[in-house]
Amino acid sequence: QVQLVQSGAEVKKPGASVKVSCKASGYTFTGYYMHWVRQAPGQGLEWMGWINPHTGGTNSAQKFQGRVTMTRDTSISTVYMEVRRLRSDDTAVYYCARDIEAVVTAPFDYWGQGTLVTVSS
Amino acid sequence: DILMTQSPESLAVSLGERATINCKSSQSVLYSSNSKNYLAWYQQKPRQPPKLLIYWASTRESGVPDRFSGSGSGTDFTLTISSLQAEDVAVYYCQQYYSTPLAFGQGTKVEIK
Repeated sequence: QVQLVQSGAEVKKPGASVKVSCKASGYTFTGYYMHWVRQAPGQGLEWMGWINPHTGGTNSAQKFQGRVTMTRDTSISTVYMEVRRLRSDDTAVYYCARDIEAVVTAPFDYWGQGTLVTVSS
Repeated sequence: DILMTQSPESLAVSLGERATINCKSSQSVLYSSNSKNYLAWYQQKPRQPPKLLIYWASTRESGVPDRFSGSGSGTDFTLTISSLQAEDVAVYYCQQYYSTPLAFGQGTKVEIK
């Protein structure tokens, strides 16, 4: 069965960086785009960007460009998202989510359990 | 960028009654070449990740009860829960996947009256 397992909660100081991992299993890792979505406490869902695990190509929302990097390691079926220069408003649960089809414009059928990143001095 | 607006922000419905949630996109999410609406609905319960309910505006995901249905085209969409059950208490989000940046509505909280 498809599973996305994310790394554990993090507490960071403003200005620091955080790298969240998402390990996939139960399907062909390189066959589906992976997206990152975040949710601030008590707020809605915000799409951050996608990575194509086959090519390594990425696309991120403009507000995150220059501060967010998405990468993958195909040998261990894992994608990563690093956020730099953290601010207090980056405090959120970060989710990885897989496309339902092997194209970038598709909904998300499997989600990781979420990783809480807390930014606090 | 496509902006998604849901209404209402919250609603309280009696058990067994109908719940209706609306979603409007700032531009059409209907792709003319395949006549598909690039619109999905998700359900999120507390402390859980979202769950895909509906995609292509009206296609129910496998395993989703048939009391959930989606309708609409172009810029106006509706999620209907035909007979609300206790386990349907959640926040519901629409999402457009027509173009990047992908975008979600702000969410609609459904409660029991």
